[in-house]
Amino acid sequence: KQEVTQIPAALSVPEGENLVLNCSFTDSAIYNLQWFRQDPGKGLTSLLLIQSSQREQTSGRLNASLDKSSGRSTLYIAASQPGDSATYLCAVSEYDKVIFGPGTSLSVIP
Amino acid sequence: DAGVTQSPTHLIKTRGQQVTLRCSPKSGHDTVSWYQQALGQGPQFIFQYYEEEERQRGNFPDRFSGHQFPNYSSELNVNALLLGDSALYLCASSLVAIQETQYFGPGTRLLVL
Repeated sequence: KQEVTQIPAALSVPEGENLVLNCSFTDSAIYNLQWFRQDPGKGLTSLLLIQSSQREQTSGRLNASLDKSSGRSTLYIAASQPGDSATYLCAVSEYDKVIFGPGTSLSVIP
Repeated sequence: DAGVTQSPTHLIKTRGQQVTLRCSPKSGHDTVSWYQQALGQGPQFIFQYYEEEERQRGNFPDRFSGHQFPNYSSELNVNALLLGDSALYLCASSLVAIQETQYFGPGTRLLVL
């Protein structure tokens, strides 16, 4: 049974810092991995999608990597801003369903 | 191009009642999945519908049922509501090929009193 974990559960950093969020999964037989952002009380916004055959994806200040063999993904956020404060969720796609981690709550202090 | 839409946005029910949540997929998508997100947790997969049939189901009791209409929109029904059913219910749409990104709606927040 696939399990997805995320470390740390919460993170507080000063504005301008670079930071890394970690995601681990137990079964490497995945189709893709996504990183989402969720603002309090809101739905999910897809940030980056990495197909199983890919190693990384970049969008602006965000870079996500995927190492299927070790069951790990990282989300790198460069030059963090207060507007980046949110919960970040990683999710792996298996046949017909998506399995989410519990999320990392990020707070960027001005 | 409208994305995934859900209605209602918020809902308050009492224990034992029944509720119906609605989802319209992104234009061109034919598959709808439903997720339950309890406070402070990641979303949990409930089930997925394609061609008006339930294709896959997560670990949820039979009180949770669904339906997909010919226009690909979908409903989630929950009977005999429990306090623990209070959550954000998310709908996601995609094409049947799993490699496609799932697009999520804003969710329906259900409070059971």
